[in-house]
Amino acid sequence: ELKVEQNPLFLSMQEGKNYTIYCNYSTTSDRLYWYRQDPGKSLESLFVLLSNGAVKQEGRLMASLDTKARLSTLHITAAVHDLSATYFCAVDILYYSGNTPLVFGKGTRLSVIA
Amino acid sequence: SQTIHQWPATLVQPVGSPLSLECTVEGTSNPNLYWYRQAAGRGLQLLFYSVGIGQISSEVPQNLSASRPQDRQFILSSKKLLLSDSGFYLCAWKFRAGWSGANVLTFGAGSRLTVL
Repeated sequence: ELKVEQNPLFLSMQEGKNYTIYCNYSTTSDRLYWYRQDPGKSLESLFVLLSNGAVKQEGRLMASLDTKARLSTLHITAAVHDLSATYFCAVDILYYSGNTPLVFGKGTRLSVIA
Repeated sequence: SQTIHQWPATLVQPVGSPLSLECTVEGTSNPNLYWYRQAAGRGLQLLFYSVGIGQISSEVPQNLSASRPQDRQFILSSKKLLLSDSGFYLCAWKFRAGWSGANVLTFGAGSRLTVL
């Protein structure tokens, strides 16, 4: 059974600081996704990582994937209040069949404070 | 472009009443469809997924059922709601891109259910 673990689950950080959210998974896969969820809203796709060593960046967020370590990171640079949200990572196993659902981590609730 | 619709957006139901949540996808054919539930402040729980008309896979035995009567329609139902059925229900679709594709899961806006 695939397990996806995120840490930390809760993160309170000051504006302007840097921090990293970690996503570990238990089964071989090179398809990993990051999603953002604003309070009371649905999930929005942030990054799609499709191979070992993949790195994607948008604004103050950068995601990377190390398939050998079964680890993805979401790095936040110089945090601003607008980044406050819950961030989920999700892993796709048996992606070649296209049928299996993604397995999600429990989410990291990020709060950026002044 | 593809869009996904969910309704109703919000509902309040008494314990023991029936439930029907509907999800439709436009702009694609033969999508994989999924129902997730999110309890307040919690992560996502996969409830059902479907790879085609009439094909339903259940991930968690519970008080709910799902049906896929048409290619782009996915319905979540219950005959008698329980208090524990309260939550945020998210429908999602995925294009079956296989080896070369990203298989990105796209979510609807969600249906917030409160059972009293």
